[in-house]
Amino acid sequence: GAGVSQSPRYKVAKRGQDVALRCDPISGHVSLFWYQQALGQGPEFLTYFQNEAQLDKSGLPSDRFFAERPEGSVSTLKIQRTQQEDSAVYLCASSPQLGGALNEQFFGPGTRLTVL
Amino acid sequence: AQTVTQSQPEMSVQEAETVTLSCTYDTSESDYYLFWYKQPPSRQMILVIRQEAYKQQNATENRFSVNFQKAAKSFSLKISDSQLGDAAMYFCASYTGTASKLTFGTGTRLQVTL
Repeated sequence: GAGVSQSPRYKVAKRGQDVALRCDPISGHVSLFWYQQALGQGPEFLTYFQNEAQLDKSGLPSDRFFAERPEGSVSTLKIQRTQQEDSAVYLCASSPQLGGALNEQFFGPGTRLTVL
Repeated sequence: AQTVTQSQPEMSVQEAETVTLSCTYDTSESDYYLFWYKQPPSRQMILVIRQEAYKQQNATENRFSVNFQKAAKSFSLKISDSQLGDAAMYFCASYTGTASKLTFGTGTRLQVTL
């Protein structure tokens, strides 16, 4: 497909487990964003990549959260030692040009993470 | 820091009628962009309409239009001739180049009734 894809769509983890969430952006898109959406809330920014460079990680809530995009395409968001407060939908978005303002951010369907 | 406020948690409109969703924002930047996104139950966020702050003319996309009041920092979305498929969560969002991220409001759930 031509859209942003994310896997898995649903993930259930026991507290303390590590999880890895994958994002496949639209081919050729330079910018990639991760957002966290808690139940009943709007998405909140986590981190931003321009190609393989992570230019902003100010939204990552703790050092348990780590994101990478080693080859400038696929990105992985890793959460170590998951806690119940990490339960949320994790959205990935990509944009064809730098910054994403003048070009639409295309969102994936998200991964719903539930930590028991 | 940017903030976006949506004061209407839920709205309801009858099919074929018009509804307006409210949004206010705050930013210290002079160059910024405002968006309305739609999120159906399937969760995929879809861009509805975009407004560049430097443009005085209100953006329009078919049945969707905005009322951008820059001095009041208000950015409302008007949906005309509402359809059942318009039922969704609607998020207002702002973007500045210096922040390189979207800042979202808490959303408005729109119900469309027959």
